[in-house]
Amino acid sequence: GAGVSQTPSNKVTEKGKYVELRCDPISGHTALYWYRQSLGQGPEFLIYFQGTGAADDSGLPNDRFFAVRPEGSVSTLKIQRTERGDSAVYLCASSLQGTYNEQFFGPGTRLTVL
Amino acid sequence: TQLLEQSPQFLSIQEGENLTVYCNSSSVFSSLQWYRQEPGEGPVLLVTVVTGGEVKKLKRLTFQFGDARKDSSLHITAAQPGDTGLYLCAGEVSGAGSYQLTFGKGTKLSVIP
Repeated sequence: GAGVSQTPSNKVTEKGKYVELRCDPISGHTALYWYRQSLGQGPEFLIYFQGTGAADDSGLPNDRFFAVRPEGSVSTLKIQRTERGDSAVYLCASSLQGTYNEQFFGPGTRLTVL
Repeated sequence: TQLLEQSPQFLSIQEGENLTVYCNSSSVFSSLQWYRQEPGEGPVLLVTVVTGGEVKKLKRLTFQFGDARKDSSLHITAAQPGDTGLYLCAGEVSGAGSYQLTFGKGTKLSVIP
């Protein structure tokens, strides 16, 4: 079946602009996660959704970052007033509740802020 | 301080050699996973271990979870060029009340033909 998909695969923007990154999880997966991976680092947790609600947003770095999942499926990560330090690969993962938290990742969106 | 320490950070070996990658922490994990990531792609799940002392095998890869569920190892036998990639361990901290995964920085493996 289809895996986790993310769009766009690459996004180049200018400092101060607004960006939206989209994640389409595996069908039937109720849990959805956003991570950020900087060069030479492992992924770092940003936010976790269970259904439509954000169950844990403790990893969001500041209030410029926001994510939604209005219908419990597709999620959008929104970054306002982008800064050069936001440049990274943004990864989305989904999992099926009750499976030892086995998370399946999408290919990521590479965000470059000039 | 990194919650999950992986070692070595880089490893370059000849085809046919064996290797072991380590993942260590002072925290106890409910479950621990190993992923492999190739450039431009997301991490791909290799295995999940949940029981202290558990050993799982996936072809030439052997994964072990420490008895105290604080550490893990990945052993590859007779490495092949196709094993090249970034190996990441990730765990869900026991009792933290969150389902987020904490990742190590990864071990970048290069297998030279």
